[in-house]
Amino acid sequence: AQTVTQSQPEMSVQEAETVTLSCTYDTSESDYYLFWYKQPPSRQMILVIRQEAYKQQNATENRFSVNFQKAAKSFSLKISDSQLGDAAMYFCALRDDKIIFGKGTRLHILP
Amino acid sequence: KAGVTQTPRYLIKTRGQQVTLSCSPISGHRSVSWYQQTPGQGLQFLFEYFSETQRNKGNFPGRFSGRQFSNSRSEMNVSTLELGDSALYLCASSLNTGGITMNTEAFFGQGTRLTVV
Repeated sequence: AQTVTQSQPEMSVQEAETVTLSCTYDTSESDYYLFWYKQPPSRQMILVIRQEAYKQQNATENRFSVNFQKAAKSFSLKISDSQLGDAAMYFCALRDDKIIFGKGTRLHILP
Repeated sequence: KAGVTQTPRYLIKTRGQQVTLSCSPISGHRSVSWYQQTPGQGLQFLFEYFSETQRNKGNFPGRFSGRQFSNSRSEMNVSTLELGDSALYLCASSLNTGGITMNTEAFFGQGTRLTVV
């Protein structure tokens, strides 16, 4: 069965600093996708970044980048130059035949 | 383009009652998935529909059911409500042209907050 584990329930980072959110997963599939979603207080889930398992190159989207270690089944999210608007719950997700989410990491941005 | 619309946004029900939640996907999206979100369990997959057929099902009791209509709109029904069913129910739609397209982004609605008293 697929599992997604986020070991940090909460994290804080100073504005303009860099923070890394951890995620590990398990799947028996060789072909899958990984996602990071953001859920601000408004509750709307928004896709932050996605990574194809067959691609070795780490995905980047502006200030957001991932460190994808396929052998270790690790998929961490790095947020550079943190902004107040980055405060939210962040969910790591694995998709093979369905999307499975981790329990989330609540990120606080300190002004 | 309108986003995923879930109705109602808030709902209060009594134990033992049943409830129906509605989800209208983004125009052109044929895949609809449902999730239950609680503080303790996080986001748990309920089921996924594609072209009116249930394609995947999570680990929930039979009290939880769903369906999808020919216009891709989906409903989720919970019968004999229990206190533990209190949660945020999220619906997500994807543009799947057929089969399972794994890189397809899921677009989420704002959810229905169900409180069972």
